[in-house]
Amino acid sequence: GENVEQHPSTLSVQEGDSAVIKCTYSDSASNYFPWYKQELGKRPQLIIDIRSNVGEKKDQRIAVTLNKTAKHFSLHITETQPEDSAVYFCAASRGDYKLSFGAGTTVTVRA
Amino acid sequence: GAVVSQHPSWVICKSGTSVKIECRSLDFQATTMFWYRQFPKQSLMLMATSNEGSKATYEQGVEKDKFLINHASLTLSTLTVTSAHPEDSSFYICSARGGSLSEQYFGPGTRLTVT
Repeated sequence: GENVEQHPSTLSVQEGDSAVIKCTYSDSASNYFPWYKQELGKRPQLIIDIRSNVGEKKDQRIAVTLNKTAKHFSLHITETQPEDSAVYFCAASRGDYKLSFGAGTTVTVRA
Repeated sequence: GAVVSQHPSWVICKSGTSVKIECRSLDFQATTMFWYRQFPKQSLMLMATSNEGSKATYEQGVEKDKFLINHASLTLSTLTVTSAHPEDSSFYICSARGGSLSEQYFGPGTRLTVT
């Protein structure tokens, strides 16, 4: 099955700096790559996603890049704010819509 | 966006008893629902996939006789944890998707504690 690896496991950044989280996947058939933000005890919330026919997508302070050849994708958060502190998960899915999640990255934004 | 609800939000039960968790899509028809389990400070692990009107497909290592899933309608799926044990204590989260959309909408989760 699909194996998604995520790095780093923890990330501490100064408010206003950028944060980058990287994921790799194993199944070349994966074609959908969402990113989720989860606050303690809450549901995962989709923050951005990208499909395999696109190399980059941006939504305000959040961007995702995908390199199909290398099988890796990254989340970029610019101008970080304290409310960006949370656990972020990457995921990958093939056409069966099942999501395989990375291990998660705990992001702490220092004020 | 679409809304998915879960009930109950938390439950405490005694070892050996069964617990049912409901997952509902409130404003869309969910052709597929997924059940995940999340242990503290860990990622989400897919337990099973259910399509309306058909049997659930379980991931490797998940006991189908212990975790009974029913997806009787396009808006409701249930997960029953049978003969629960303390090691089943976890955060159970459902998600749902509809039509040709890839995006999954997550429920708020159910925290199960087995004493």
